[in-house]
Amino acid sequence: NAGVTQTPKFQVLKTGQSMTLQCAQDMNHEYMSWYRQDPGMGLRLIHYSVGAGITDQGEVPNGYNVSRSTTEDFPLRLLSAAPSQTSVYFCASSSGTGGMTEAFFGQGTRLTVV
Amino acid sequence: GDSVTQMEGPVTLSEEAFLTINCTYTATGYPSLFWYVQYPGEGLQLLLKATKADDKGSNKGFEATYRKETTSFHLEKGSVQVSDSAVYFCALSDLDSSYKLIFGSGTRLLVRP
Repeated sequence: NAGVTQTPKFQVLKTGQSMTLQCAQDMNHEYMSWYRQDPGMGLRLIHYSVGAGITDQGEVPNGYNVSRSTTEDFPLRLLSAAPSQTSVYFCASSSGTGGMTEAFFGQGTRLTVV
Repeated sequence: GDSVTQMEGPVTLSEEAFLTINCTYTATGYPSLFWYVQYPGEGLQLLLKATKADDKGSNKGFEATYRKETTSFHLEKGSVQVSDSAVYFCALSDLDSSYKLIFGSGTRLLVRP
């Protein structure tokens, strides 16, 4: 059971370049989210999706785009990378909205923007 | 808005010592509370959870009790092992939006043999 798979694991970008971080889950979960992890700040929500075709902004959405064309995939796009986007990015999925629902996380993508 | 505050780390303990990691929260409603653990080089894994006041979450020897009166959810373990070395995150979510987690800053635990 693969769970949540993120690619790539590591990436170095130059300022102004674009790229897409991939996230796929094989658990048929409706809900998917992207977080960024920065030292001393925990994880912060970037964007989330409550189902195919439905996305919304989280706490720190600026500079990022998302789409959800299938239940399985939830890519995160950086249109013009900036050094402030250097971070570790985590994708998560969950099956429901109830308080007992567990979120499953991918292993993360470490992005460096130079 | 809602927020979570964790004690600063790192926390360094000897094997078999007692562990407490403090966590307090601010929320307008009645959130669900979670502890997640991140082992080196890995993503986050759910350690335990609680959804209402006085609930106790427990897993792998770790426990935390949802204290509404003190808005706290402190993590405890009676006897830590070297394998418990990791970063621990306290988090909350609204009861109806568990996909929108609000995390504390994380506490790194180092257990020495």
